[in-house]
Amino acid sequence: QKEVEQDPGPLSVPEGAIVSLNCTYSNSAFQYFMWYRQYSRKGPELLMYTYSSGNKEDGRFTAQVDKSSKYISLFIRDSQPSDSATYLCAMRRYSSASKIIFGSGTRLSIRP
Amino acid sequence: NAGVTQTPKFQVLKTGQSMTLQCAQDMNHEYMSWYRQDPGMGLRLIHYSVGAGITDQGEVPNGYNVSRSTTEDFPLRLLSAAPSQTSVYFCASRTGTRDNEQFFGPGTRLTVL
Repeated sequence: QKEVEQDPGPLSVPEGAIVSLNCTYSNSAFQYFMWYRQYSRKGPELLMYTYSSGNKEDGRFTAQVDKSSKYISLFIRDSQPSDSATYLCAMRRYSSASKIIFGSGTRLSIRP
Repeated sequence: NAGVTQTPKFQVLKTGQSMTLQCAQDMNHEYMSWYRQDPGMGLRLIHYSVGAGITDQGEVPNGYNVSRSTTEDFPLRLLSAAPSQTSVYFCASRTGTRDNEQFFGPGTRLTVL
């Protein structure tokens, strides 16, 4: 069983919709949770990260962590065609900054 | 700043050949890592370095060597290429003070025939 599970999609939604992307994990020692965006044939870029449980908002993006359910989410409001990309969740233990475990990514397409 | 650069962008090898994937960063980052990305598998850590002269193994180190003689460069060597090493390889770097902010290079697409 993978430590981090992520639905690969593809997910296709109309422009302006609210998008919900999710990951589940099995290791309760994970403390930092990250979301990366990866455009086609490019390297991943960090969108945001959170520590432990709770919400974090950055513009149209909101990250949520529910440690009791081992479930994390990324919400995108007012989605734009430029948001079309693969979204990777990632997480790590507090003491293992170099050992980040990535989900396999969800491919998102925003239809104009 | 160029950020993290990787060369070559594409490479085709025959089984048994060796090669070195180059990675360089100009941000004076202490930490550098190599990942491979395969369909359905996400990014998997191959090797990482916490500073010049210090390297350690990640999740999938077999068949790969690394060295870190300078802060800027972190080459990845394939000793004897195998078809299972066909993948997209990403190098990443970060500072020690902002642990979660990794910067990735553009990747090298490697095919082993």
